[in-house]
Amino acid sequence: NAGVMQNPRHLVRRRGQEARLRCSPMKGHSHVYWYRQLPEEGLKFMVYLQKENIIDESGMPKERFSAEFPKEGPSILRIQQVVRGDSAAYFCASSLYDRNNQPQHFGDGTRLSIL
Amino acid sequence: DAKTTQPNSMESNEEEPVHLPCNHSTISGTDYIHWYRQLPSQGPEYVIHGLTSNVNNRMASLAIAEDRKSSTLILHRATLRDAAVYYCILSRGGGATNKLIFGTGTLLAVQP
Repeated sequence: NAGVMQNPRHLVRRRGQEARLRCSPMKGHSHVYWYRQLPEEGLKFMVYLQKENIIDESGMPKERFSAEFPKEGPSILRIQQVVRGDSAAYFCASSLYDRNNQPQHFGDGTRLSIL
Repeated sequence: DAKTTQPNSMESNEEEPVHLPCNHSTISGTDYIHWYRQLPSQGPEYVIHGLTSNVNNRMASLAIAEDRKSSTLILHRATLRDAAVYYCILSRGGGATNKLIFGTGTLLAVQP
């Protein structure tokens, strides 16, 4: 069984460009979570999505960041007009159900570097 | 969000058992205790979780105190590959979404 797949593994952008990070959950999982890990900091929850719905975006910055999880295809985390402070590792996780007795399975992340 | 407290770092020798403690005195009745670990340059990896009873799986054991205000992750024989940051997380029940709130974790160093 393939695990959670994230791509690209590394992404370099110049300030002002757009970054698109993709996440394919484990087979059969319809719950996707995005987390961000800034350099020398801990993991922070960003957003939780089910198919075609954003359920909890309490951790998303109010501007420039958006996420989607379409009926077909991977979940996308989109960052518009990137700034140096967006440099971080972005991790996606998926779970079978959104219940607190369910483990989340993580991908190996996308490391975003802003020049 | 319910808070957990873990030591910043611990050391172990290879092939010896490791007991990683976690305090969660404000745990509520429907909160599950989850443990994840993060190896260098990798995403977090699920280790184990439990509610009230002790749990065992192929990776580790989880010992939960009777009052549930603390728990201990037990690695029975540490290997060099177990060097990682270990996170103890309470996953809220009662209809809350299953987002994970990571603390600073315990950095485990394993000496050969």
